[in-house]
Amino acid sequence: SQTIHQWPATLVQPVGSPLSLECTVEGTSNPNLYWYRQAAGRGLQLLFYSVGIGQISSEVPQNLSASRPQDRQFILSSKKLLLSDSGFYLCAWSSLRLSTPEEKLFFGSGTQLSVL
Amino acid sequence: SQQGEEDPQALSIQEGENATMNCSYKTSINNLQWYRQNSGRGLVHLILIRSNEREKHSGRLRVTLDTSKKSSSLLITASRAADTASYFCATPRLWGYSTLTFGKGTMLLVSP
Repeated sequence: SQTIHQWPATLVQPVGSPLSLECTVEGTSNPNLYWYRQAAGRGLQLLFYSVGIGQISSEVPQNLSASRPQDRQFILSSKKLLLSDSGFYLCAWSSLRLSTPEEKLFFGSGTQLSVL
Repeated sequence: SQQGEEDPQALSIQEGENATMNCSYKTSINNLQWYRQNSGRGLVHLILIRSNEREKHSGRLRVTLDTSKKSSSLLITASRAADTASYFCATPRLWGYSTLTFGKGTMLLVSP
């Protein structure tokens, strides 16, 4: 069966420090991978989307970047964190494009990032 | 932008009661999905209803879809304290980036 691992669970970082969040998927090949951010009391905002190694699409301009160095590894990074980067970050995967009927997202357990 | 908007924002009921949450969306869809999120955790897929379906059941969950009104409802029957969570509807984007567009969610509190 497929599993998705995301770490760390919580992170407190000072403004201006770097960030690296990692996500790995097991039990499937060539997944579509996603990074979402969830602000308190809000819905989810797509940050990055990847269909394959080295292929990254960004939904919104921001202080963050993403990389996919391996098929089942997705990394969210920042060189210098801002206060506004605080939030709950979720990694997710799907087998196919989500416009495919019956496709759904499988989420990691999330990382609560607090930038102070 | 938000595609799905849930209503109510918060719902508080007693164990054994039914909980109904509503979702409205704006654009064309091929399916609508409901997810559950326990506090501080990731989202878990509950149920998917296709645009050509009107009603779907899964255990204590019942989902309806009215494409003419662009709305859906999620009914949880005989609620349990363990059902306490936030519930989100989501619709797939049919063009551009592959993603689901989520609403802000309904926070359900089920008291023993």
